[in-house]
Amino acid sequence: GQQVMQIPQYQHVQEGEDFTTYCNSSTTLSNIQWYKQRPGGHPVFLIQLVKSGEVKKQKRLTFQFGEAKKNSSLHITATQTTDVGTYFCAGLQNRDDKIIFGKGTRLHILP
Amino acid sequence: DVKVTQSSRYLVKRTGEKVFLECVQDMDHENMFWYRQDPGLGLRLIYFSYDVKMKEKGDIPEGYSVSREKKERFSLILESASTNQTSMYLCASSLGGSSQPQHFGDGTRLSIL
Repeated sequence: GQQVMQIPQYQHVQEGEDFTTYCNSSTTLSNIQWYKQRPGGHPVFLIQLVKSGEVKKQKRLTFQFGEAKKNSSLHITATQTTDVGTYFCAGLQNRDDKIIFGKGTRLHILP
Repeated sequence: DVKVTQSSRYLVKRTGEKVFLECVQDMDHENMFWYRQDPGLGLRLIYFSYDVKMKEKGDIPEGYSVSREKKERFSLILESASTNQTSMYLCASSLGGSSQPQHFGDGTRLSIL
């Protein structure tokens, strides 16, 4: 079936190091959304990418949408303890207008 | 700010019981969703609704039903609860259209004994 694969599942980084999570779809996406879920919290919308090759920045976070609109990435520069949580991508499938969530990447920061 | 309120934060029920999970949003959103979240499996869509009295099956609808009698309220029903339905249940809402950001409630952690 249609899937949005997200890797890695877990990532441990030293505070100050960079972090990247990747999202790959088997089909072309209309857009992709990114969410963050803090431990014990609920997913919170971060950003949406729509255009092929689009790059957006939010402070230390950089979001990219691939040229073929089948993959995306979230990169965090110089991680801080406040970045701890699980990051989800969610792709809107072209063919049936359904949003599919990736399984998420859990980020743990070592002090 | 959008507020999505789930009726219970924690719930414990017994096998075979009929369980109701309620969700209310206060921003006049057309779309509402029910997910369950399990470790290693991410968010899985159970049911969604794009309008009052309208419902669509998600990826894992078996064992569940939903009701949307009013625009602001979307209820998830476990017809006969089973232990494999122990999970975190998340409700979300969004504006009309398929590409709008979703706003989530705090979740209900349901345990079926």
